[in-house]
Amino acid sequence: DTGVSQNPRHKITKRGQNVTFRCDPISEHNRLYWYRQTLGQGPEFLTYFQNEAQLEKSRLLSDRFSAERPKGSFSTLEIQRTEQGDSAMYLCASSRGGKPYEQYFGPGTRLTVT
Amino acid sequence: DQQVKQNSPSLSVQEGRISILNCDYTNSMFDYFLWYKKYPAEGPTFLISISSIKDKNEDGRFTVFLNKSAKHLSLHIVPSQPGDSAVYFCSGATNKLIFGTGTLLAVQP
Repeated sequence: DTGVSQNPRHKITKRGQNVTFRCDPISEHNRLYWYRQTLGQGPEFLTYFQNEAQLEKSRLLSDRFSAERPKGSFSTLEIQRTEQGDSAMYLCASSRGGKPYEQYFGPGTRLTVT
Repeated sequence: DQQVKQNSPSLSVQEGRISILNCDYTNSMFDYFLWYKKYPAEGPTFLISISSIKDKNEDGRFTVFLNKSAKHLSLHIVPSQPGDSAVYFCSGATNKLIFGTGTLLAVQP
């Protein structure tokens, strides 16, 4: 297993368009997390899943954001009607049940909204 | 409300010397603390963790110290190597990770 993967690595979109990102976690990990990182800041928590259940959502996750993990494997993060303030690095992480705090991150998807 | 603070934006150290990165926190509910290293254009890489009931954890060149009464933790890297040059993030864990703003470590050859 090669770790957490994310696609695409880069996305440039015009304001108002919808975008969708995909995350494939480490195969035996049952928890999957989404974070967002902007310049000069640490990653900020958005939401997490245990298997297919979405257990927590940050208030940062506005109504324009939706995340799914339909079969408890890969996850998608969709942003509708993108705004320039959505420009950031979107990071996915996964962890296993025995050590949920030990999260392993993917390379991220860099979103630029023009 | 910054629950995890890294007050030093950058640190420069000579190769072979000790690097000490510091972190303060306010949330007493953190179960674990973790340090991550991040290179440009990559995701954070897990380095080392410590349980909130411990005061020290060591893994090779990396040692993390936790002072609960002061709500302070530090990461020691000995000896420092040029490949250690990166941004280091401190984080506290509950169901999720809360990160500090990072410290850029530069190890000079």
